[in-house]
Amino acid sequence: EPEVTQTPSHQVTQMGQEVILRCVPISNHLYFYWYRQILGQKVEFLVSFYNNEISEKSEIFDDQFSVERPDGSNFTLKIRSTKLEDSAMYFCASRRDTNTGELFFGEGSRLTVL
Amino acid sequence: TQLLEQSPQFLSIQEGENLTVYCNSSSVFSSLQWYRQEPGEGPVLLVTVVTGGEVKKLKRLTFQFGDARKDSSLHITAAQPGDTGLYLCAGAGRGGTSYGKLTFGQGTILTVHP
Repeated sequence: EPEVTQTPSHQVTQMGQEVILRCVPISNHLYFYWYRQILGQKVEFLVSFYNNEISEKSEIFDDQFSVERPDGSNFTLKIRSTKLEDSAMYFCASRRDTNTGELFFGEGSRLTVL
Repeated sequence: TQLLEQSPQFLSIQEGENLTVYCNSSSVFSSLQWYRQEPGEGPVLLVTVVTGGEVKKLKRLTFQFGDARKDSSLHITAAQPGDTGLYLCAGAGRGGTSYGKLTFGQGTILTVHP
């Protein structure tokens, strides 16, 4: 069964360092998303991406964040200068061209900023 | 800002009991999904409800979407220890990429004791 894969599963970094989280969405999906979940809190929408550009972004997704689909398969989230409060699980998700909002999530990348 | 209030936050019951989890909002959603999330993993889709008043059944799980598409419930009949986990409801926005822009509830941690 097709699945969304994410790497790394866990990354520990120092405050101020750049981090890139990688995702391989399901191959025939067209819409891509990043969500994050701070420990003990709700899953929160960060950004949506379609047709090689950002479609929507939340208030959380400030200038320190960027997304890219550098080739036909990878979808990356970059945090330019990490802060302590960026520590969270980051989930990549993708969906087909439907209007039902069914997302398929990856297993997540745990980011720990020290 | 759309909000989705999920209750109860914690539920601890004995095997064989029935339970209901509620998701309520003042906003209208284009659809509502229920996910189950295991520790350290991403949310896994259980069901999507789209039409107001819709009821869907998945074995012992019954999902209902409110007539006004603002609320939903998950009912589990004769709960089993294998049902233990975190259950999340999520409402979808409307139009294009917004269908995948989900607003999540806080989640319900269900524990079913043998």
